[in-house]
Amino acid sequence: GDSVTQMEGPVTLSEEAFLTINCTYTATGYPSLFWYVQYPGEGLQLLLKATKADDKGSNKGFEATYRKETTSFHLEKGSVQVSDSAVYFCALYSSEKLVFGKGTKLTVNP
Amino acid sequence: DTAVSQTPKYLVTQMGNDKSIKCEQNLGHDTMYWYKQDSKKFLKIMFSYNNKELIINETVPNRFSPKSPDKAHLNLHINSLELGDSAVYFCASSQDSGGRTDTQYFGPGTRLTVL
Repeated sequence: GDSVTQMEGPVTLSEEAFLTINCTYTATGYPSLFWYVQYPGEGLQLLLKATKADDKGSNKGFEATYRKETTSFHLEKGSVQVSDSAVYFCALYSSEKLVFGKGTKLTVNP
Repeated sequence: DTAVSQTPKYLVTQMGNDKSIKCEQNLGHDTMYWYKQDSKKFLKIMFSYNNKELIINETVPNRFSPKSPDKAHLNLHINSLELGDSAVYFCASSQDSGGRTDTQYFGPGTRLTVL
């Protein structure tokens, strides 16, 4: 079945560092791709999404580009803040449901 | 107003008991979901309902029974609780189940601990 693979965490960075969280997927067809974020003690919320190849999703300084050739949707941010500390989930939409990766915990230190 | 709300936030109970978790959304969405997040943060769908009809049942044990009295509510009843049921359960909703671009809105979660 369709699946999502994310880089293993946890990831620890200093404030203002560059962030990349890798995400690759396996799917039939061309699914929509999403990044969700879960702040401590909260539910997930959509961070960004892309619905077709070469689309770039962006929000709050985060970006991800839908790469069909490499079946990837890597999350990037140029300068992280302490408030970005959270668990990040890559997901794809397949057969009327979201399929999530295992999540990557990010900790940003001041 | 909270878009997707769940009660209770925490639930501690003994093995063998029966418990329910309630979910309500005030977004006017047609589709609601239940997810289970295990101790390693892995998130997996359990059920989805569209306008009170079951759409997805992801090989969840029969002890779990979702009930949707109307399209704004999706409750989860669990019979004969087992240790392995300990997890965080998230309710979510979206505008339409057929929408591949639809955003899902998640509730704050219910942390279930089975002793």
